[in-house]
Amino acid sequence: QVNLQESGPGIVKPSQPLSVTCSVTGYSITTSYYYWNWIRKFSGNKLEWMGYISYDSSIYYNPSLKSRISITRDTSKNQFFLQLNTVTTEDTAVYYCARQGAYFDYWGQGVMVTVSS
Amino acid sequence: DIQMTQSPASLSASLGETVTIQCQASEDIYSGLAWYQQKPGKSPQLLIYGASSLQDGVPSRFSGSGSGTQYSLKISSMQTEDEGVYFCQQGLKYPFTFGSGTKLEIK
Repeated sequence: QVNLQESGPGIVKPSQPLSVTCSVTGYSITTSYYYWNWIRKFSGNKLEWMGYISYDSSIYYNPSLKSRISITRDTSKNQFFLQLNTVTTEDTAVYYCARQGAYFDYWGQGVMVTVSS
Repeated sequence: DIQMTQSPASLSASLGETVTIQCQASEDIYSGLAWYQQKPGKSPQLLIYGASSLQDGVPSRFSGSGSGTQYSLKISSMQTEDEGVYFCQQGLKYPFTFGSGTKLEIK
């Protein structure tokens, strides 16, 4: 059974980096041909795809975030990570990790991150 | 980016009623479309992919159709467990983009 679980700080101060971890069990993040994504949901139901790291460690980011985002992984722990730099209150959202073959077939439960001083 | 326009924003339906949700892409997405259901406090769940293929475990009352820029999700007989928010998502081009969601409630 594929399971994804996010963990994160809850609250981040403006201009600080936001870091969220996705721990994957039941499936190796190096298995071909899956992509491991970050997606966030703002209040009001807007969903934004942020980027992925693939089974072979290729990376692709949403151009709207390209200057602030970094996605990395630790294959020994079967985890992947999101870092978003220089956050503002507009980055307040629920952050999800999700597996993608062609589409997002497994999601974590999400972690709420609030940007506030 | 491909823009996804979803309608209606909200909908209420009686038990057993047929429900249809629409999604329009800003360009041809060649059936590269998925539908997701999200219940309160839960993550989105994949219902339909490739515009019309039913994800494993999803009840057969859900169906998807469409081509080009116009797609729809149909629930053939509304059940109480179908309450939630529904999203479309284009999977043709990066950055992947989502519709704004349709909130479905029981009347």
